Amino acid sequence: GAGVSQSPSNKVTEKGKDVELRCDPISGHTALYWYRQSLGQGLEFLIYFQGNSAPDKSGLPSDRFSAERTGGSVSTLTIQRTQQEDSAVYLCASRRTGSGELFFGEGSRLTVL
Amino acid sequence: AQTVTQSQPEMSVQEAETVTLSCTYDTSESNYYLFWYKQPPSRQMILVIRQEAYKQQNATENRFSVNFQKAAKSFSLKISDSQLGDTAMYFCAFMKHIEDNAGNMLTFGGGTRLMVKP
Repeated sequence: GAGVSQSPSNKVTEKGKDVELRCDPISGHTALYWYRQSLGQGLEFLIYFQGNSAPDKSGLPSDRFSAERTGGSVSTLTIQRTQQEDSAVYLCASRRTGSGELFFGEGSRLTVL
Repeated sequence: AQTVTQSQPEMSVQEAETVTLSCTYDTSESNYYLFWYKQPPSRQMILVIRQEAYKQQNATENRFSVNFQKAAKSFSLKISDSQLGDTAMYFCAFMKHIEDNAGNMLTFGGGTRLMVKP
């Protein structure tokens, strides 16, 4: 596709369940980012992938959160044993080498009941 | 670490008038990018305008312009001839220059909710 694609668009889950959120970046973009946006709030950095380098995981809030990026393309953000405070919109963005601009997907809204 | 501050949580403006959104940042870097992103109710973040710190000339994109004051670490956004479609959250953001691949995340301010009134 032409833009960053995220799925699912909306996810409702029960407390304690695991969830996976997927991001398909723009083809050829080497950098991929995950951010979290709580209701009416700003964006909180979670994790950053750049090419084949080790990811920057400094923003992950707990060890229940993990992410991987397979083949330098699609990324999956996994939240284990979800808690109500995990409810938020999870935004993915990608960037091509040599550019400062991030292109964002429409986000995945996670609701933990 | 970089911080970005937007001191105006909410603003409103009449259609066709001009509004300025404030942003200040703190960094020890000398080479970086600054951005304004718009987030309409549809949720998707859209780049409005960007500024390279080494450029003294203020960036302009149609009705959108910035006032970049590097010494003061200030980066305000001016929207001229406001339109109803400008209603959105606006986020100021900072990124270290991309040649330094370490830590090239985008640091966001808390956002300003702009309402354009008819």
